[in-house]
Amino acid sequence: DTGVSQDPRHKITKRGQNVTFRCDPISEHNRLYWYRQTLGQGPEFLTYFQNEAQLEKSRLLSDRFSAERPKGSFSTLEIQRTEQGDSAMYLCASSLDRVPDEKLFFGSGTQLSVL
Amino acid sequence: AQSVTQLDSHVSVSEGTPVLLRCNYSSSYSPSLFWYVQHPNKGLQLLLKYTSAATLVKGINGFEAEFKKSETSFHLTKPSAHMSDAAEYFCVVSPDSSYKLIFGSGTRLLVRP
Repeated sequence: DTGVSQDPRHKITKRGQNVTFRCDPISEHNRLYWYRQTLGQGPEFLTYFQNEAQLEKSRLLSDRFSAERPKGSFSTLEIQRTEQGDSAMYLCASSLDRVPDEKLFFGSGTQLSVL
Repeated sequence: AQSVTQLDSHVSVSEGTPVLLRCNYSSSYSPSLFWYVQHPNKGLQLLLKYTSAATLVKGINGFEAEFKKSETSFHLTKPSAHMSDAAEYFCVVSPDSSYKLIFGSGTRLLVRP
């Protein structure tokens, strides 16, 4: 169990640029989640995948955001035409839904700063 | 709609004294409730989870929480604070089995030597 890995740890970009983050879940975890955490707040749910299927998206996920999990393993979160309001910590989590005591394992996050 | 309210944004205690972090929840039915801890530059870690099996839930690192339906509370306690407990703590509710977690705004715990 190597944990949930996120890359990059930090990303600084200029307003209007596109950015892409990657999340590698714990192997064999079939569920993968994206959350966003702004300064001084708790994380907010963005979207989640069951294997490669994206089953739910929050209203926070505007049309500029897209997430994929093409082979049911790693996932990417892309933000197009970034805005200053997108500055936040983006957290990925994974879980295995076939155990009685399911729990989420979180990565350390990608800190995005939009200048 | 389900939500949680963490009543204190900051709590400061002396090392060796008890810790109490307060959380109230709002739910139309019996929820799943959690406490997570976030240390700087580390991922969120699950401390404990309530799913109706027992009202007093024991977690890791000596923490425990009691579910009180009459008070709609799920406060986190620890008998004796350690310096390593200094972190951000989140009370969390899950509306269903999808683990679309709803986080509170967090309580920052400071532990004084």
